[in-house]
Amino acid sequence: DSGVTQTPKHLITATGQRVTLRCSPRSGDLSVYWYQQSLDQGLQFLIQYYNGEERAKGNILERFSAQQFPDLHSELNLSSLELGDSALYFCASSVEVRGTAFFGQGTRLTVV
Amino acid sequence: GQQVMQIPQYQHVQEGEDFTTYCNSSTTLSNIQWYKQRPGGHPVFLIQLVKSGEVKKQKRLTFQFGEAKKNSSLHITATQTTDVGTYFCAGDWLMEYGNKLVFGAGTILRVKS
Repeated sequence: DSGVTQTPKHLITATGQRVTLRCSPRSGDLSVYWYQQSLDQGLQFLIQYYNGEERAKGNILERFSAQQFPDLHSELNLSSLELGDSALYFCASSVEVRGTAFFGQGTRLTVV
Repeated sequence: GQQVMQIPQYQHVQEGEDFTTYCNSSTTLSNIQWYKQRPGGHPVFLIQLVKSGEVKKQKRLTFQFGEAKKNSSLHITATQTTDVGTYFCAGDWLMEYGNKLVFGAGTILRVKS
């Protein structure tokens, strides 16, 4: 158990809908990363937050947004969902802005 | 943008054979990390390499960081069935206010007993 909690574990939704994925980092970790893992794309970096502020951005679609709250948990919002958004979404946390990333179990999103 | 190329994509070995996966970046890395993801699981941190030319060992696993800090390798000696999974390298570049941990595509290792 990495100490990073993601909910829900599984999510099935229809195209065009909006979903929110939640991540609670390890106790004491200030930095949160979001990654998307699909079969043909590997682990794609989406975005990083540190202590509530956005710090680094990857190839995150405009339909996707994220935030980190004062209690340090983070949410990834995915809107206008498309079939191609079906993937495993991982959250990871680290103590500082840089350092070892500890991954949650992931949320498997299926868009039908 | 920053990218890390990882090869091979897939390797199937007989138990007891060696295995190596390679990572390459077009730009100099701050450090490189290695992760292992078991089937159905999440990536788990293995090691971080920071210094140019660094070599680290964990039992049967040997990790190397190139002199130019642009490439790295993971070598497993005498593979076992417990080594099965996907091995990812992750390049770390220090951005102005954060860092961007970018993963290679991973190498899937299958071990035949």
